[in-house]
Formats: sequence, structure tokens, C-alpha cells
Amino acid sequence: GENVEQHPSTLSVQEGDSAVIKCTYSDSASNYFPWYKQELGKRPQLIIDIRSNVGEKKDQRIAVTLNKTAKHFSLHITETQPEDSAVYFCAADTGGFKTIFGAGTRLFVKA
Amino acid sequence: DAGVIQSPRHEVTEMGQEVTLRCKPISGHNSLFWYRQTMMRGLELLIYFNNNVPIDDSGMPEDRFSAKMPNASFSTLKIQPSEPRDSAVYFCASSLEGANTEAFFGQGTRLTVV
Repeated sequence: GENVEQHPSTLSVQEGDSAVIKCTYSDSASNYFPWYKQELGKRPQLIIDIRSNVGEKKDQRIAVTLNKTAKHFSLHITETQPEDSAVYFCAADTGGFKTIFGAGTRLFVKA
Repeated sequence: DAGVIQSPRHEVTEMGQEVTLRCKPISGHNSLFWYRQTMMRGLELLIYFNNNVPIDDSGMPEDRFSAKMPNASFSTLKIQPSEPRDSAVYFCASSLEGANTEAFFGQGTRLTVV
């Protein structure tokens, strides 16, 4: 079955710096890669997603890249702000109704 | 739409008791997922339904766990008997088609088994 690995588990950056979170997946049939943000005590919410037919997608300060050959995808946050502090989860979906999540990255943005 | 609704928000129970968690998915969504979140294991998919039918329950930890979806607007996750190691936040999520679409999560149920 699908396995998703996520790194780093914790990331601390200074406000204004960039943050990068990386994930790898095992199932080459995976074709949908969402990213969720979970603030403390709240539910995970989708922030951006990418499908296998594109290599990059951007939405304001966040971007996601996908390398299907290497089975890597990454989340990039530029000009980080304190409100970006949260746990971020990557996920992979093979299209069989099953979304497998990475272990999460706890991002701290220091003011 | 109010989103995915879970109840209760918090549950504290004694070891050995039966626990029932409830979920109302977003109207029109035909896929429903139950996840368990702990610090040690992260977000684990327990079971998911499509059109009220259980598709994959391989994530259910053991026979003490069971889930049902009697209709399109209601699902339950039951633990009987509960154990302290079941303490976690349990999330229900729903999506429009299941595959390749956003999952909308409920607020979660924080379960504590003492």
C-alpha cells in the first residue's frame, strides 16, 4: 500500500524567511497530493493541492512542487508570518478513495 | 452548510466502557473517513466508506473497533471495550467523490479513557 514520509518533523524559522517541507511517496499510481494545515486544537484544513499532470502550483505565499519520477513533492512557504505556525501534513491519494497522510511537520515562525 | 459535524467534542470514559462517536458528513458528499490522531502515530486512517459501504477497514486497530454508516448522513465509530491506549482525537472527514478531492474534517472528538 501507499506510504508517505514527511521531513522534517519540526521546523523553526525566523519571520520573513522561507520554509520548505518535503514528502516522498511509494505508490507510483498516486495522482493527487493535498497539503493540510492544522492549527493548535483545530481540524486539518486544505491549503493547497497538486495533481499529477502538473509540476508546480502557486497560491500567494505558498507553492507546491511535484517530481513524479522521483516520487517527491514539497511545500514552500515564503515570507513566513507568525500565523503560519501550525502542523502541516502532506498526503497522497491513489484515486482509490484512500488518502494517506505523512506524519506532519510542526512549523514554528519566530517573530 | 455547517460542515462535518462530530459529537461529542470531548469524551472521558472509564476503561472497559463502550464509547460511540458520531459523525454527520457534508450533505451531498459520498465518501466518509474516520481518522485517529495521536502524537506518536500522527493521522491514521481507520476506515472509509463510499456511498455508505465500507471500502477499506484495514486501519481499524482491532476487533474492539467497529464503524457503521446506516445512511448518507450519519456514521458511528464504536469502541467496546475501551482501553487507555485508545485515548486520542478522532476525526471524521467527508469528500465529494473520495478520490482526488479535498477532504473536509470535522472538529474532532477528544477521547480520554482512564
